[in-house]
Amino acid sequence: GAGVSQSPSNKVTEKGKDVELRCDPISGHTALYWYRQSLGQGLEFLIYFQGNSAPDKSGLPSDRFSAERTGGSVSTLTIQRTQQEDSAVYLCASSFSSQRGGRTQYFGPGTRLLVL
Amino acid sequence: KQEVTQIPAALSVPEGENLVLNCSFTDSAIYNLQWFRQDPGKGLTSLLLIQSSQREQTSGRLNASLDKSSGRSTLYIAASQPGDSATYLCAAPNNAGNMLTFGGGTRLMVKP
Repeated sequence: GAGVSQSPSNKVTEKGKDVELRCDPISGHTALYWYRQSLGQGLEFLIYFQGNSAPDKSGLPSDRFSAERTGGSVSTLTIQRTQQEDSAVYLCASSFSSQRGGRTQYFGPGTRLLVL
Repeated sequence: KQEVTQIPAALSVPEGENLVLNCSFTDSAIYNLQWFRQDPGKGLTSLLLIQSSQREQTSGRLNASLDKSSGRSTLYIAASQPGDSATYLCAAPNNAGNMLTFGGGTRLMVKP
């Protein structure tokens, strides 16, 4: 079946602009995760959605970052007033219900964001 | 706070060698540990997930072990091939299972 898909695959924007990144999880997966991969920081957790529960936003680096998940499926990560340090690869993952013990997370190909 | 470390950061071997990639973690109260592969410019591909009740998992030429008491996991690759060249990442979940903490990765190059 189809894996996790993300769009756009690449995004170049000017400093100060807003960007939206999209993630389509694997059908049937109730858990969805966003991570960021940058040269200096490695892979960092950003935000987690599980079903209709309130998201875990503990990894968001600033209030310029927000995410939503509509209808328990597609998710959008929004970065407002982008800064050059936001340049990174943004990865989305999904899994079956993330109960204690966790489940295998399946990752999308990522969106490469470059802020000029 | 969980910290995950991978050694070595980079490894170059000739084709056919058996090799071991190391992963260590500071919080041993983990429920599982996951190994991923990442090709340049690509996302992450899940290789193996070892539950805390297991000591190892095998998939083809890959074998991953988990020793919670010592805070270590190893990924063993048998008879390495040039196609194995990639970055290998290990990751441990937090107690709620809602996030992974990743190691810095081992960048593997298998030379023909």
